[in-house]
Amino acid sequence: EAAVTQSPRSKVAVTGGKVTLSCHQTNNHDYMYWYRQDTGHGLRLIHYSYVADSTEKGDIPDGYKASRPSQENFSLILELASLSQTAVYFCASRTGGPYEQYFGPGTRLTVL
Amino acid sequence: GDSVTQTEGLVTVTEGLPVMLNCTYQTAYSDVAFFWYVQYLNEAPKLLLRSSTDNKRTEHQGFHATLHKSSSSFHLQKSSVQLSDSALYYCALSEGGNYAQGLTFGLGTRVSVFP
Repeated sequence: EAAVTQSPRSKVAVTGGKVTLSCHQTNNHDYMYWYRQDTGHGLRLIHYSYVADSTEKGDIPDGYKASRPSQENFSLILELASLSQTAVYFCASRTGGPYEQYFGPGTRLTVL
Repeated sequence: GDSVTQTEGLVTVTEGLPVMLNCTYQTAYSDVAFFWYVQYLNEAPKLLLRSSTDNKRTEHQGFHATLHKSSSSFHLQKSSVQLSDSALYYCALSEGGNYAQGLTFGLGTRVSVFP
């Protein structure tokens, strides 16, 4: 089975601080994604990547940066965390073609 | 762009009764795949069903869905729900030829099953 792991699993950050969320996949998938989940908004795409050393903006990229240093790793960076970024963040990976995405377990981020 | 609409935010159903979750979509592409994901409390979304064939019924874990391109729908059904089916359900589509952007998700439907 495809495997996507995330770290940390939960984090409390202070407003204005820097937060880095990490994602690692062992699926040999080319495509990786970062979503945030909020009640009433479903899963919203923040950034995605289809190759190492390249990232693309998703639907809600403001306030977030992404980094894909290798095929296996994809990070989400909040340079100046804000209260509105309190959410659950999911990483996912996918192979090419009409196939499903595999999600990591999620990171619960609380910004105080 | 593509869009997926799930009209019910919350569905409450009694154990043993049937349930249907609505999913309609808009896409300009004919080469599209469709998915239902289920997310249990404090877990990640995971795949429940997948289909890309028009008018073909797909089944898994007692749930079934049929893609109807004529009505742009991919409704999820179960004939007899269990307490363990309480979860958040997402409908999603994948646009052919643009796999890099991933899936387009609906807002989700929460199902609460009562004894």
